[in-house]
Amino acid sequence: EPEVTQTPSHQVTQMGQEVILRCVPISNHLYFYWYRQILGQKVEFLVSFYNNEISEKSEIFDDQFSVERPDGSNFTLKIRSTKLEDSAMYFCASSESRPTHSPLHFGNGTRLTVT
Amino acid sequence: RKEVEQDPGPFNVPEGATVAFNCTYSNSASQSFFWYRQDCRKEPKLLMSVYSSGNEDGRFTAQLNRASQYISLLIRDSKLSDSATYLCVEGSGTYKYIFGTGTRLKVLA
Repeated sequence: EPEVTQTPSHQVTQMGQEVILRCVPISNHLYFYWYRQILGQKVEFLVSFYNNEISEKSEIFDDQFSVERPDGSNFTLKIRSTKLEDSAMYFCASSESRPTHSPLHFGNGTRLTVT
Repeated sequence: RKEVEQDPGPFNVPEGATVAFNCTYSNSASQSFFWYRQDCRKEPKLLMSVYSSGNEDGRFTAQLNRASQYISLLIRDSKLSDSATYLCVEGSGTYKYIFGTGTRLKVLA
């Protein structure tokens, strides 16, 4: 079964450093997403991406965050200057079609620890 | 009112029991819903999609009540391996999926 793959599985960084989280969505999917989950809390939407541009973003997704699809397979999330409160599990996900028509498929996640 | 609301639990049930969770949503125009299962520190995994009145897959049944704006998940003959957090998700009309907080289930031997 096709999978969403994420690397690295765990990233430790110092406050103020830049991090890039990488994802390869399922190949025939057109919609890509980043979600995060702080330990013990709910899954929170960050951003969705379709047709090479951001479709929607949440209040969490401020100027410190950016996404890119640099080639035909990778989808990245960059955090420019990490804060302690950015520590969370970051999930990349993709869907074949819009949320009203198809489910979301998640990668295994990247656990980001900011020290 | 929160967009998607769930009772956080935990629901502690004996093995073999039937358990049901409800999830309420605020957007009356929403058309698609999903149940996901999440194990501790793992990614959510799709359990079931609900586009019309309901869906059934083995021991799992989901029902959508549009009039009262809730979706239920019924698990029959609970197994120890069913212990997890169950996430109710709304496929919104915009470009995002909206998650509930999840309901924790513990199946006891």
